[in-house]
Amino acid sequence: DGGITQSPKYLFRKEGQNVTLSCEQNLNHDAMYWYRQDPGQGLRLIYYSQIVNDFQKGDIAEGYSVSREKKESFPLTVTSAQKNPTAFYLCASSSGQTNTEAFFGQGTRLTVV
Amino acid sequence: DAKTTQPNSMESNEEEPVHLPCNHSTISGTDYIHWYRQLPSQGPEYVIHGLTSNVNNRMASLAIAEDRKSSTLILHRATLRDAAVYYCILREGRTPNAGGTSYGKLTFGQGTILTVHP
Repeated sequence: DGGITQSPKYLFRKEGQNVTLSCEQNLNHDAMYWYRQDPGQGLRLIYYSQIVNDFQKGDIAEGYSVSREKKESFPLTVTSAQKNPTAFYLCASSSGQTNTEAFFGQGTRLTVV
Repeated sequence: DAKTTQPNSMESNEEEPVHLPCNHSTISGTDYIHWYRQLPSQGPEYVIHGLTSNVNNRMASLAIAEDRKSSTLILHRATLRDAAVYYCILREGRTPNAGGTSYGKLTFGQGTILTVHP
């Protein structure tokens, strides 16, 4: 089935460690996005990519890094520089055209202890 | 970035229509209005989108004001499964000077929490 997959669903890490969240899509979408969601809050854009080998900072990029080496994949690394990394992380993809819908993964809940 | 304003919460009874408002007074001519909804601990799902004309699909209707500074998502008969957070979003239609990629940046606000009573 076509779709967007995030893994793992739950992730635990010790403070000070970098951690990479996976996002894969087989929808042939050019654009991919990473969001962070805190309890009771809306989605905040971390990074987005409109095309392979190119990405742009969103509203809260500090402490995060991404790569876009393949069209299908847009991994997000939460670095030790991120002050409050515990959150629900969502990945999305779309064709990139403004008149098309975006598809979201089921999210990764990251807990840093 | 053009922003949207939505009420924090709304309530409805099952089987009744629901009108969810959204203000976007700084919308530009090429911005599409999108609506998504999110159930707890899940990713958002697409509901509907439009540019100028009213739109209907199997999930909902979208009524867009003539000046495009506001829109309303209409759920014709609310069910308990419609209880969710509803997000009104503007997809920016800027196109860079070089290259052929459109920048469909997708920025979310706080959304409206819809409660549906049985």
